[in-house]
This record gives sequence, structure tokens and C-alpha cells, in this order.
Amino acid sequence: YVLTQPPSVSVAPGQTARITCGGHDIGRKSVHWYQQRPGQAPMVVVSYNDDRRSGLPDRFSGSNSGNTATLTISRVEAGDEADYYCQVWDSDTNHREVFGGGTKLTVL
Amino acid sequence: QVQLHESGPGLVKPSQTLSLTCSVSGTSVTSRNFYWSWVRQAPGKGLEWIGYITGGGITYYELSLKRRATISVDTSRNHYSLKLNFVTVADSATYFCARISTSSDSDFFDLWGQGTRVTVSS
Repeated sequence: YVLTQPPSVSVAPGQTARITCGGHDIGRKSVHWYQQRPGQAPMVVVSYNDDRRSGLPDRFSGSNSGNTATLTISRVEAGDEADYYCQVWDSDTNHREVFGGGTKLTVL
Repeated sequence: QVQLHESGPGLVKPSQTLSLTCSVSGTSVTSRNFYWSWVRQAPGKGLEWIGYITGGGITYYELSLKRRATISVDTSRNHYSLKLNFVTVADSATYFCARISTSSDSDFFDLWGQGTRVTVSS
């Protein structure tokens, strides 16, 4: 199972960033999103498509339908600049955990 | 407070075995609600899942690493380990241990160690 993310997304402060994660029938799976700042470990931001991590601003939201899952960051701030990864559990292939290639969010 | 902490040599010679340990505090590695995993990240690259071990000791691995990787648990020390045989320079990466929160529907990585950098070089 392959997850496809755009390598980069750029957005001005205060605007909305949408980071996509494409996969065959991904809408049938639960998608999880991670934020990784430079030099740090990843951290889950959204699990099970749209469940925001406790304490995370409601500017972060997730959706999943058809062949695309999306992480949406509203009112983007400089501190949101990071790499973002989507992930699914592939129960059909040896219980694999699959990551997307990652998207670097740049705040202009 | 649950914490994970990786340890192991930062330099491994080609063809040798990479051995890392993840010390777990604040919870038990025998918990049935969690799996214990390893993920790596080559410099400037994305995340690559290596494998995980369940609370009951069942293991699953990324297919490309299955022949070389072994994950085991030491319940007496509350830690788990990764061994990767016959390493090459392509195995140079930051290695993270990570806890997986599991349900009947899916898994996700809810807690990560800070990562440990491993370089394969002669």
C-alpha cells in the first residue's frame, strides 16, 4: 500500500494550508498525521482521520474520503512550519505500518 | 509520565549487527493495549517503519527488512530491543522507538523516543 504526499506546501501566515495524502480507497482506512520539527521526534497531531491530539489548537483538522485524506491547518503560524507525515495500518500486508513520504510545510 | 529512551552505539561497521535498546518507563511492555515499534529516518529522508512487537510477543516487520531485523522484549528490564544484521551504509539513520496505540480498526504511534543517530562506516 502506497501513500502519496506532495513534497512541499507553502502558505503565508494567517492563510490555510492543506496537506494531502493519497492512497487507493484510503477513505476506507483510518489515517493518522504526524508533525516533525527539525531535530525532533515526530508527534501525532491527528489520529483516526479527524481526532485532534489533546491540547492541539483547533486550527488543525483532518478529513478522509475516497482516495485522499487531508490535514488542514487554518490560520497558519510560523510555528507550524515542519514536516508532516500521514500513516495508515495496512492490515492486508503483514500488518504493515505505512508512512507517506512527508510534506514540508513552509510558512512564507 | 510514560517515556521511551533509545540507547546503543552510534557507529557500526558494515556487515556487523546494529543493536539498540528502548527503555520504557511509566508503563509496562507487557501491556496488551500497546505495541512496541522501531522507526528509522535516513538523513534528509522520510520515516520508515521497521517493525513492532506486541505485548504477547508477536512480531511484524517491514518486508524489505524482515530477513535482517529482530525485535525482542525483556520484561524483567521493561525494555525492548532491535537487532539489524549485516548492516550497510544504507542503514545509517536516526532510529526511533515508538509506542503504538492499537485498536481493532487501526494503529497509530502515540509516543516516541527522542531518537538515536546510527552511522554505518568502516
